[in-house]
Amino acid sequence: TQLLEQSPQFLSIQEGENLTVYCNSSSVFSSLQWYRQEPGEGPVLLVTVVTGGEVKKLKRLTFQFGDARKDSSLHITAAQTGDTGLYLCAGAGGGATNKLIFGTGTLLAVQP
Amino acid sequence: EPEVTQTPSHQVTQMGQEVILRCVPISNHLYFYWYRQILGQKVEFLVSFYNNEISEKSEIFDDQFSVERPDGSNFTLKIRSTKLEDSAMYFCASSRPYKETFFGQGTRLTVV
Repeated sequence: TQLLEQSPQFLSIQEGENLTVYCNSSSVFSSLQWYRQEPGEGPVLLVTVVTGGEVKKLKRLTFQFGDARKDSSLHITAAQTGDTGLYLCAGAGGGATNKLIFGTGTLLAVQP
Repeated sequence: EPEVTQTPSHQVTQMGQEVILRCVPISNHLYFYWYRQILGQKVEFLVSFYNNEISEKSEIFDDQFSVERPDGSNFTLKIRSTKLEDSAMYFCASSRPYKETFFGQGTRLTVV
C-alpha cells in the first residue's frame, strides 16, 4: 500500500517567516502534485513535479521533487496571512489514469 | 478558466435512501474520478472512469456505489442505501491522460 506522510501536521508561524513542509513515502511516484484546500472546498492544484530533483517556483513557493521520486518539499518564503490553509501532497503511480494517493496534510496558520 | 462543477453543494439524506451526486468534468478531459474525504481525514480515491467504464476502483467502492456518464457532459456517483458512515465530502475530478488532476468544489453528504 502506498502511503504519503506529511510533516509537520500543524504549523503556526508569524507573517514574514519562512517554512518548509515535507512529504515522504517509501514508494516511488511518477509525479507528485501539491494542492491547497480551504475549509469546505475542493483541493486546488498548485504545481506538479515529474522529474527526480526537479525544482519549481510559484512566486514565494518553491517545490522540490526528491531525486528518487519518493519525497517532496514545499518551501514558503516570507509567509503571508493569505498563505493560511491546508496543504496536501498527492502522488500518482503512473499510467494514463492519474489516480492519486493523498498525503495526510499540513495545516498552516500564518499569524499577522 | 475551465473548472469541474458539482451539484448539489450539500445533500442531506436519511439512512437507507439512495443519493446521486452530479458532476460536470472539464470538457476536454477524458478521465473522471470520485474521491471522498471524511471530516478530519485525508482525501481517499474511490473510482476512476475512462471510455465509459471503470478503469480502477478502491476497496471503499463496493456494490453500494456506482458511477455513470449518462450523457456527453455529466458524470454521476450513485450511493444506494446510504449509511451513517457515508457522510463525507465527495469530490469529482477530471484529467487528461498523463496530466494533472483538477477537482470540483465538492458535495457535502450528510446521512442522518
